[in-house]
Amino acid sequence: AQSVSQHNHHVILSEAASLELGCNYSYGGTVNLFWYVQYPGQHLQLLLKYFSGDPLVKGIKGFEAEFIKSKFSFNLRKPSVQWSDTAEYFCAVNDASGGGADGLTFGKGTHLIIQP
Amino acid sequence: EAQVTQNPRYLITVTGKKLTVTCSQNMNHEYMSWYRQDPGLGLRQIYYSMNVEVTDKGDVPEGYKVSRKEKRNFPLILESPSPNQTSLYFCASSFQTGSEAFFGQGTRLTVV
Repeated sequence: AQSVSQHNHHVILSEAASLELGCNYSYGGTVNLFWYVQYPGQHLQLLLKYFSGDPLVKGIKGFEAEFIKSKFSFNLRKPSVQWSDTAEYFCAVNDASGGGADGLTFGKGTHLIIQP
Repeated sequence: EAQVTQNPRYLITVTGKKLTVTCSQNMNHEYMSWYRQDPGLGLRQIYYSMNVEVTDKGDVPEGYKVSRKEKRNFPLILESPSPNQTSLYFCASSFQTGSEAFFGQGTRLTVV
């Protein structure tokens, strides 16, 4: 079974600072990787996803993530954060090789607070 | 509009009183699942369904039941709720396993 580790549970940044949220997963097979965002009081929305191809993927709202297979990592980045980026961020992985019948495995989340 | 709809959004109930949380999707997705979200634990899968009449346990299935009689609906049933099932519940659907998941708005359940 997979597991997903998000290194920082709480991150506080000032506006315009650069952001990097770490994500590592444990599964050694073929995986699909996702970052979801949950704004206060709302449901989860997809930020970006990686299935195959270019390991640097770009998502919505200026976010990007880099898949480094050798490090089992899929870190999320944004060069300049805004107050509206305050939210909880979840990394998730799915086993792509066998159909991934057991669905997404989520990390515990990172609560990001952007101070004006 | 493509969406996953859960009802109710908020529910307070008493221990032992059976309840059902409904989930419906209009995207003709095959795969549906239920998660619970608890502080510090992230989202954990309760049950999933790969198609009509095909359901299976996720990571935390104890105390829950599901059914998938129609492709669009995937209700979550708590036969005898207990306080440790107080949580925020999300239904999700995807075209197939491994695809992007679309989430409902969530149901905040309190069991007293």
